Amino acid sequence: EAGVTQSPTHLIKTRGQQATLRCSPISGHTSVYWYQQALGLGLQFLLWYDEGEERNRGNFPPRFSGRQFPNYSSELNVNALELEDSALYLCAGARGTYEQYFGPGTRLTVT
Amino acid sequence: DQQVKQNSPSLSVQEGRISILNCDYTNSMFDYFLWYKKYPAEGPTFLISISSIKDKNEDGRFTVFLNKSAKHLSLHIVPSQPGDSAVYFCAASTWGGNQFYFGTGTSLTVIP
Repeated sequence: EAGVTQSPTHLIKTRGQQATLRCSPISGHTSVYWYQQALGLGLQFLLWYDEGEERNRGNFPPRFSGRQFPNYSSELNVNALELEDSALYLCAGARGTYEQYFGPGTRLTVT
Repeated sequence: DQQVKQNSPSLSVQEGRISILNCDYTNSMFDYFLWYKKYPAEGPTFLISISSIKDKNEDGRFTVFLNKSAKHLSLHIVPSQPGDSAVYFCAASTWGGNQFYFGTGTSLTVIP
């Protein structure tokens, strides 16, 4: 069984640009969660998608958005990038349980 | 607003001894708690969980204890092994799992 995949592994953008991050959960997992882990901080909840719908979002500005596709993969878009958006972005899949299965993350660097 | 706190950034333990990792939370509505382990360059891996209706859950060398009145949970690893060296995150959720709150992690080093 393939694990959760995220792409790209690393992404370098300049301030003001847009970034798109992608996540594919384990087959059969219909929920996708996105988290931001900035340096020295814990995982901060960003977004939760389930069955193609956004179910909840964390305390982040609207320039953080995303979607979930019919195959349950998901993408996270960050518009108007700011320097403080530099972080590790983790996605996790789940299927009706509390236990989440995480991908390896995308390291976003904004210069 | 850090609702889940891990106040010890790091912990070192001798191989074979007990490792105790602590976690405190502030929201009394949390009803499910999880521990994740993270190796460098990998995503967190689920380790063990506990529901608020229990005060202890055990899985092999790993035991999680929950003290609801103190809003405190702990992870015990006995005996500790060098392969346990990793960053451990605790997490909490309200009913339905629609949002998870993670602590900042504790880096455990098990010394051979």
